[in-house]
Amino acid sequence: AQSVAQPEDQVNVAEGNPLTVKCTYSVSGNPYLFWYVQYPNRGLQFLLKYITGDNLVKGSYGFEAEFNKSQTSFHLKKPSALVSDSALYFCAVRDILNTGFQKLVFGTGTRLLVSP
Amino acid sequence: KAGVTQTPRYLIKTRGQQVTLSCSPISGHRSVSWYQQTPGQGLQFLFEYFSETQRNKGNFPGRFSGRQFSNSRSEMNVSTLELGDSALYLCASSLVSSGSVETQYFGPGTRLLVL
Repeated sequence: AQSVAQPEDQVNVAEGNPLTVKCTYSVSGNPYLFWYVQYPNRGLQFLLKYITGDNLVKGSYGFEAEFNKSQTSFHLKKPSALVSDSALYFCAVRDILNTGFQKLVFGTGTRLLVSP
Repeated sequence: KAGVTQTPRYLIKTRGQQVTLSCSPISGHRSVSWYQQTPGQGLQFLFEYFSETQRNKGNFPGRFSGRQFSNSRSEMNVSTLELGDSALYLCASSLVSSGSVETQYFGPGTRLLVL
């Protein structure tokens, strides 16, 4: 079964510093990976996805993610953190069911706290 | 283009009651998925509908059901509510095209509290 792991429950970073939110994956076949962000009392907002090609994927709000096949990782990064980036971040992997439907399997989430 | 909308945003029910949640997908999206989010279990897949048919269901009891209408709007129903059903219920929609990796776009969710 496809799975992702987010080893850190919380990441603390000062505003203006670079941030990294970690994600590792375990898949059979090609990995199709996603990052979503959730603000308080809101749904999930799509940030970016990796399908194939360039290992550095650029997404919304200045975020990017680096796909590393040898380390089975898909870490989310941003060069300069903003206080408004404080939120809950989820890594997800596509799981194809026998009907062909593409279900998402989510990690446990990482809370990012950016201090002024 | 309008995003995924869910109604109501908040619900309070008592044990034993039933509840119906509604989801309107992004225009043109034909697949609607439902997820349950709780602090203990995280985000879990409930079921997915496409062309008014449930294609797959997650590991939830039969009290959880849903349907999809011809305009792709979807409803989910939970009967005989239990305290453990308190959660944020998220709906997601996506295009469906053969061979592509579709992105699921989520609504704001319905927060259900069972007392």
